[in-house]
Amino acid sequence: AQSVTQLGSHVSVSEGALVLLRCNYSSSVPPYLFWYVQYPNQGLQLLLKYTSAATLVKGINGFEAEFKKSETSFHLTKPSAHMSDAAEYFCAVRRYARGSTLGRLYFGRGTQLTVWP
Amino acid sequence: SQTIHQWPATLVQPVGSPLSLECTVEGTSNPNLYWYRQAAGRGLQLLFYSVGIGQISSEVPQNLSASRPQDRQFILSSKKLLLSDSGFYLCAWFRGTSGDEQYFGPGTRLTVT
Repeated sequence: AQSVTQLGSHVSVSEGALVLLRCNYSSSVPPYLFWYVQYPNQGLQLLLKYTSAATLVKGINGFEAEFKKSETSFHLTKPSAHMSDAAEYFCAVRRYARGSTLGRLYFGRGTQLTVWP
Repeated sequence: SQTIHQWPATLVQPVGSPLSLECTVEGTSNPNLYWYRQAAGRGLQLLFYSVGIGQISSEVPQNLSASRPQDRQFILSSKKLLLSDSGFYLCAWFRGTSGDEQYFGPGTRLTVT
């Protein structure tokens, strides 16, 4: 079963516009949720994470995400896009297999963000 | 601070040739280690993970294998590469606490010709 769904494989915004990248999760227990960013030919870098403390999580580079249990969502936002934000963004949830103490991350398929000048 | 290394950074190999990709982690002990592959249009695919020396779990059956000869070393291998093995290979480590994130290496771009 899909654990994380990212709506929209490609999102385009103008520089200075609001960025909204959507992520919905499926989990029967309070989840640990993550957003990662990947620039071309680089590894993934953590933007922010939700670990059941505050529902509004602030990350690096001006990004933030809000955990909404009622909507099972963890959308990523940034008030004003910058050219340097162009990258691929991945939402992930940590889940534990039955009988296992090792959690693994389940990633969404990613959203490619394009920022137009 | 912790650092994760991968090499080589890029690799072009013919079909049927062997493969060895290496990942090492510095600044931590007994990490949980992971190999992922990114192929065009397929997102991140978990290939292997390891909780300790000599302990390997496979997520997807394929012609790849993994080994962990030392605590902070994780190796991805193949005896005979296929065209479908092309992709971007990422190594990651995780300390093991639920709220912790995974840290990713810089990746290896493999092209099988």
